[in-house]
Amino acid sequence: DIQMTQSPSSVSASVGDRVTITCRASQGISSWLAWYQQKPGKAPKLLIYAASSLQSGVPSRFSGSGSGTDFTLTISSLQPEDFATYYCQQANSFPATFGGGTKVEIK
Amino acid sequence: QVQLQESGPGLVKPSQTLSLTCTVSGGSISSGDYYWSWIRQPPGKGLEWIGYIYYSGSTYYNPSLKSRVTISVDTSKNQFSLKLSSVTAADTAVYYCARGGGFDWAHPWGQGTLVTVSS
Repeated sequence: DIQMTQSPSSVSASVGDRVTITCRASQGISSWLAWYQQKPGKAPKLLIYAASSLQSGVPSRFSGSGSGTDFTLTISSLQPEDFATYYCQQANSFPATFGGGTKVEIK
Repeated sequence: QVQLQESGPGLVKPSQTLSLTCTVSGGSISSGDYYWSWIRQPPGKGLEWIGYIYYSGSTYYNPSLKSRVTISVDTSKNQFSLKLSSVTAADTAVYYCARGGGFDWAHPWGQGTLVTVSS
């Protein structure tokens, strides 16, 4: 299985801050990467697919980049509703695997 | 827009079989445009993709669970189902159904259902 490693595991930030989360794959996955946001008690929500494509309806302050093994999710200006846990997921090979998650907390 | 809803028992005894159904509305499983998946999340932990099915009945299972998992589809009811046999406490999790699988992303997801394995 391809291992997905996210860092940091948690980050404390203030409203308006720029937040960057990284995801590293144990082998190359081209651009077969998605990012999800999960709030407590809710299902994950797709934010970014194909490494950098913004899912319809997702605010433009979210952006994704990278290819191969190293990927980044950036929130350009953190809003109160963005405090959540974020997961990356690779879809390059079976089984699809997720990163361990990054919790974005209020500073 | 497509919506998914999980249903099934919230409590299963150890060694028994967990059975869940996902009902799809706002779209047809038979369209053949997507795979349909089951994903789980133990309390306080990360996400694990269990497997997925195509409208034709073709399936893919995570090798870590393959010996215990069966996913089936009922296109007449626009539903797909999960069976997980010989459950233990380690199978306690929120189980989600989602559209997507294979070289695809999971979107959208059902709200999830907590299944507890306990005697």
